[in-house]
This record gives sequence, structure tokens and C-alpha cells, in this order.
Amino acid sequence: EAGVAQSPRYKIIEKRQSVAFWCNPISGHATLYWYQQILGQGPKLLIQFQNNGVVDDSQLPKDRFSAERLKGVDSTLKIQPAKLEDSAVYLCASSLWAGETQYFGPGTRLLVL
Amino acid sequence: EDQVTQSPEALRLQEGESSSLNCSYTVSGLRGLFWYRQDPGKGPEFLFTLYSAGEEKEKERLKATLTKKESFLHITAPKPEDSATYLCAVQGSSGNTPLVFGKGTRLSVIA
Repeated sequence: EAGVAQSPRYKIIEKRQSVAFWCNPISGHATLYWYQQILGQGPKLLIQFQNNGVVDDSQLPKDRFSAERLKGVDSTLKIQPAKLEDSAVYLCASSLWAGETQYFGPGTRLLVL
Repeated sequence: EDQVTQSPEALRLQEGESSSLNCSYTVSGLRGLFWYRQDPGKGPEFLFTLYSAGEEKEKERLKATLTKKESFLHITAPKPEDSATYLCAVQGSSGNTPLVFGKGTRLSVIA
């Protein structure tokens, strides 16, 4: 069974630029999550989708972050404009349904200069 | 607010030296407690889910246990390939609550 796919794996941008990350979940998984993991910390949930609807985006900085999952399968997370403090690993995870075990992708490492 | 505290922050063991990692939590009704392993440059890899106090699960050299306030990850006779960061996370039972992660324990096993 293929795991969660993410791209790109690494990204370096300057502050105030925009960036987008892509995630393809495990086939058949209805729930998709985006997490932010700052060095030395555990992952923090940014947004949760159930199929193509948003379930929880309470910790998403909506003035600069946006995410979509238009067809209920793959998803994109965008940052515009980026700040220095956005430097982190952005992890995508999926689960069969909300509350089930979450499986993570390899992450995208973002460095904002 | 759900909280997870992991200790120690870092642990260095000799190969074969057994030890335990601790995960203390506060949650309004526990739906599940999860253990993940994270290698440098990779995403977290699922290890165990525990649902109720007294439950235990094992996988190779790892054994996870759960009480009403904490979970332990016991590592028996570790090998260098067990070196990683071990993350603990909890999910509350009220509504669609998210996973709350601890900061992790960085384990180094020296040959």
C-alpha cells in the first residue's frame, strides 16, 4: 500500500514570497491533515479535512495560510506572504476516517530567509 | 486544554541497556494515546495506539503501557537502529478533537 506522498521535499524562499505544498493521501482515506513541526517541537495541527470539507482550521493563520482539497483526494497548502517564523517542516497525514490512526508523509522542509 | 509532557527530552543508552520513556497527559476524556517514531528528515511513523488504562501493546523490543495519567514506552535491549525521536500524542473524546503531541524524547543507542 502506497503511503502519503508530499512534494516538494525541500523549499527555500525569501520572506514575503509565496510557496505551495502538495499532498496525496493514502488511497481511500477520507480525512487529511496538515501539521506544522518547528525544530525541537511536536507536530501542531493546522487544518483537518473530511473529504473536501474543512473540519478544523482553528490554528491556521488565515491571514497568510490557505488550504484546499477540492476533489476530496489530494490537497495543497499555501503560504502568502511567508515570514521568517514559518520556517518549519510541513507534514501531511491521512486517516481512514476522523479519529482513526493517522499516517504521515515525509514532510516538506521550508526555510524562509 | 489537552496537554502532553514527555520526559526525558533526550536519552543516551548503551546497546542492550533497557530503559523507559514517559508520557504524562491531561485530557478531557481519552479517546486514544498514540506513540510514533520519527527519524531525522522523515515523517512520524506509527507505532501503537492505547485506548484504556491497563492496556499494553508490544512490537519487537518496544512495549507501550497506559495508566489514567501517563504512558510508558519500554525499550528492552535496544540496538543502534532504535535511535530516533519518540513522539507521544493524545486525542480527547469530546467531538472532533485533534491530536495533541508532546515535544518528543530523542533516543540515542550507542554500540
